[in-house]
Amino acid sequence: DAKTTQPTSMDCAEGRAANLPCNHSTISGNEYVYWYRQIHSQGPQYIIHGLKNNETNEMASLIITEDRKSSTLILPHATLRDTAVYYCIVNGQNFVFGPGTRLSVLP
Amino acid sequence: DVKVTQSSRYLVKRTGEKVFLECVQDMDHENMFWYRQDPGLGLRLIYFSYDVKMKEKGDIPEGYSVSREKKERFSLILESASTNQTSMYLCASSPVGAGRETQYFGPGTRLLVL
Repeated sequence: DAKTTQPTSMDCAEGRAANLPCNHSTISGNEYVYWYRQIHSQGPQYIIHGLKNNETNEMASLIITEDRKSSTLILPHATLRDTAVYYCIVNGQNFVFGPGTRLSVLP
Repeated sequence: DVKVTQSSRYLVKRTGEKVFLECVQDMDHENMFWYRQDPGLGLRLIYFSYDVKMKEKGDIPEGYSVSREKKERFSLILESASTNQTSMYLCASSPVGAGRETQYFGPGTRLLVL
């Protein structure tokens, strides 16, 4: 399974866009990129996933580079409730959740 | 909404005790998973199941077993609890599909083994 690299932590001002990067340089052609988040004391929550094309849903947008070696999760208008740990995952046979990025949305 | 429920939010057990963690999902999902989560280590897969009575080892199965007698229920068993099994345990389920789509997680069980 491909490994992912994310920054340990990021801050974002409330109301601004939060851009969370992820590197997955060893991703193979049939592997999807998934994003989950985990708010304190809760189970992880699915956000979005993609293969090659950019994706958007009601929660976020996912931008995948053309070579698929990296991606960015965009929360367009971050709120205090978006404070969480965000996990970028490349699927293979099993999901592997790394340490993720701790996003703090500041008032 | 998919609901994944776990039998306890908090559990305290003694070393050597047999511990059962129960997970139930209400969306008729084929796949079910057990993870543990520890600070600095992220989530690690213990066991998963693709069907009733079927189980597969994940990355860290030692010290654990599982049971899937019914489609909606997936149990994690610690035969003889040890202090290094103190952790947050998370259950998840997902439907069959390309890329195994999304996983839906329960709220977690915080287990403390004394």
